[in-house]
Amino acid sequence: DAGVTQSPTHLIKTRGQQVTLRCSPKSGHDTVSWYQQALGQGPQFIFQYYEEEERQRGNFPDRFSGHQFPNYSSELNVNALLLGDSALYLCASSLQGPPSQYFGPGTRLTVL
Amino acid sequence: LAKTTQPISMDSYEGQEVNITCSHNNIATNDYITWYQQFPSQGPRFIIQGYKTKVTNEVASLFIPADRKSSTLSLPRVSLSDTAVYYCLVGDEAAGNKLTFGGGTRVLVKP
Repeated sequence: DAGVTQSPTHLIKTRGQQVTLRCSPKSGHDTVSWYQQALGQGPQFIFQYYEEEERQRGNFPDRFSGHQFPNYSSELNVNALLLGDSALYLCASSLQGPPSQYFGPGTRLTVL
Repeated sequence: LAKTTQPISMDSYEGQEVNITCSHNNIATNDYITWYQQFPSQGPRFIIQGYKTKVTNEVASLFIPADRKSSTLSLPRVSLSDTAVYYCLVGDEAAGNKLTFGGGTRVLVKP
């Protein structure tokens, strides 16, 4: 049973560019959440998708957007990249109800 | 969401028991207490979750007093591979609520 997978593993972009990160949830899970983790800090919630709609959103600007597909996989898009967007981006999947989330390995984004 | 307070770091030695206490004075009735472990450059890994009293699994034990204003994660007989950051989270995760992470506790296990 595959867990949460994310691609790519690492990514280097320059300021002003756009990036798309991808996530496949754990088998059977229908909810995907995205988190940003800066070096030395805990993960910060970006947003959550369920039934292809954004259900909750953290304190992130509109440059951060996402999408969930019918197969429950998800994408995180970040436009107009800033140096401060450099971080580990984590995807977590869960089911509605059971109170636990399973995290993927993350995508390390470096903005130069 | 209830705020949590936990020590910034702890040192231990192989074979010892490590206990990390987390304070959550404003915990709500529907809130669960969840602990995650994270290694560098990896996603957090679910360790254990509880609501009250004691919960034990193959990895750890979680002790929750009657007032639920704190909890203690107990890692028995730690090894070098238990060196990681441990996060205590409190919240009602039903219906897809987000997880709010604090700074976590950095546990260093020495030989």
